[in-house]
Amino acid sequence: DAKTTQPPSMDCAEGRAANLPCNHSTISGNEYVYWYRQIHSQGPQYIIHGLKNNETNEMASLIITEDRKSSTLILPHATLRDTAVYYCIVSPRYGNKLVFGAGTILRVKS
Amino acid sequence: GAGVSQSPSNKVTEKGKDVELRCDPISGHTALYWYRQSLGQGLEFLIYFQGNSAPDKSGLPSDRFSAERTGGSVSTLTIQRTQQEDSAVYLCASSLRVDQETQYFGPGTRLLVL
Repeated sequence: DAKTTQPPSMDCAEGRAANLPCNHSTISGNEYVYWYRQIHSQGPQYIIHGLKNNETNEMASLIITEDRKSSTLILPHATLRDTAVYYCIVSPRYGNKLVFGAGTILRVKS
Repeated sequence: GAGVSQSPSNKVTEKGKDVELRCDPISGHTALYWYRQSLGQGLEFLIYFQGNSAPDKSGLPSDRFSAERTGGSVSTLTIQRTQQEDSAVYLCASSLRVDQETQYFGPGTRLLVL
């Protein structure tokens, strides 16, 4: 079973920041938080991951709370092409198997 | 560079027939994973390979499902005596190593069992 809880859907205006929350209250000390997204009819795409520090890359930022029980994925300037299902996954660094939940459907609207 | 490729992209078969799905991972990636996504469902892990060996087959739903990988590259997922509930998108992913965090997914094979 997935160890994360995400809202089923969110809307965001084009050009605005999209903030996607994820709860993972039972996360273990050796587990990382991973984010993937799946655009319609495509395979999932890796976005970002982190352990306890905030992370940023060219796609997004990941903010993890100090107690690591929740996190937020931030797309700083959402575009229509960011419309997708976003999956938050917790997994050990060497866990190899990704357990996907239902994810959040993000709709970016013009 | 080339990503993960899968073939066929679409497959329609009759109940009871066998099907083979193929995955070509990114060159040099030693780890390969199979998932499936049924209509309206999330992604479900099936099996993974490290090289040619499959340490974790826990996700295979029944003994009608099998997978092999030869030469540390191409993998084939075989479904024998297909059933209608096998209809799904079968996704393959690869990573540089098992302990490498990023899995790169292919476009999937859409299987429809009539």
